[in-house]
Amino acid sequence: DTEVTQTPKHLVMGMTNKKSLKCEQHMGHRAMYWYKQKAKKPPELMFVYSYEKLSINESVPSRFSPECPNSSLLNLHLHALQPEDSALYLCASSPKRVNSGNTIYFGEGSWLTVV
Amino acid sequence: SQQGEEDPQALSIQEGENATMNCSYKTSINNLQWYRQNSGRGLVHLILIRSNEREKHSGRLRVTLDTSKKSSSLLITASRAADTASYFCATDPPGGSARQLTFGSGTQLTVLP
Repeated sequence: DTEVTQTPKHLVMGMTNKKSLKCEQHMGHRAMYWYKQKAKKPPELMFVYSYEKLSINESVPSRFSPECPNSSLLNLHLHALQPEDSALYLCASSPKRVNSGNTIYFGEGSWLTVV
Repeated sequence: SQQGEEDPQALSIQEGENATMNCSYKTSINNLQWYRQNSGRGLVHLILIRSNEREKHSGRLRVTLDTSKKSSSLLITASRAADTASYFCATDPPGGSARQLTFGSGTQLTVLP
């Protein structure tokens, strides 16, 4: 069982809705990540938080807004999404920023469908 | 952009057989990791091999790394139906500043009972 917990597991939202994905870890990790994964594709990095500060934004559209309220929590706020944003959104954490030999621990993901 | 490319894209074998999947990458790396993903689930870390290592074992898993060819292989011996999953290699490049893992395209392994 993963120690990174994501909620909700499934989310269906309209293009005008505002919703949030939530992620929590209690392993004391100081780096947290959001990945997007489409079917039969590898995960694509969206954001990296290091010590609660946004350190990497991989040119993600502003309709995705990350937030790190504290070292255990990571949110992804969603607004005005498009149907092509439908995907599996994976949260992950690692002991520190990925450098020499850090393993990333993934949550089970949140399946997002935009209608 | 994808750092790693894996082949085959899909592999189907009988239970008890060995499964080998390969990963090639383009730039220098610090480490290479392999992850497994069951359908619709999160990724699970399997094994990490450092750039100065050539081979590593963990249970039924054997990983090799050839930095001169920029390639790695994952061997699963005596496969089981429960090994059915997608397998991804992931590399992290050298450097002291923030970096991130880059995942390969993945191999879908099906183990038939």
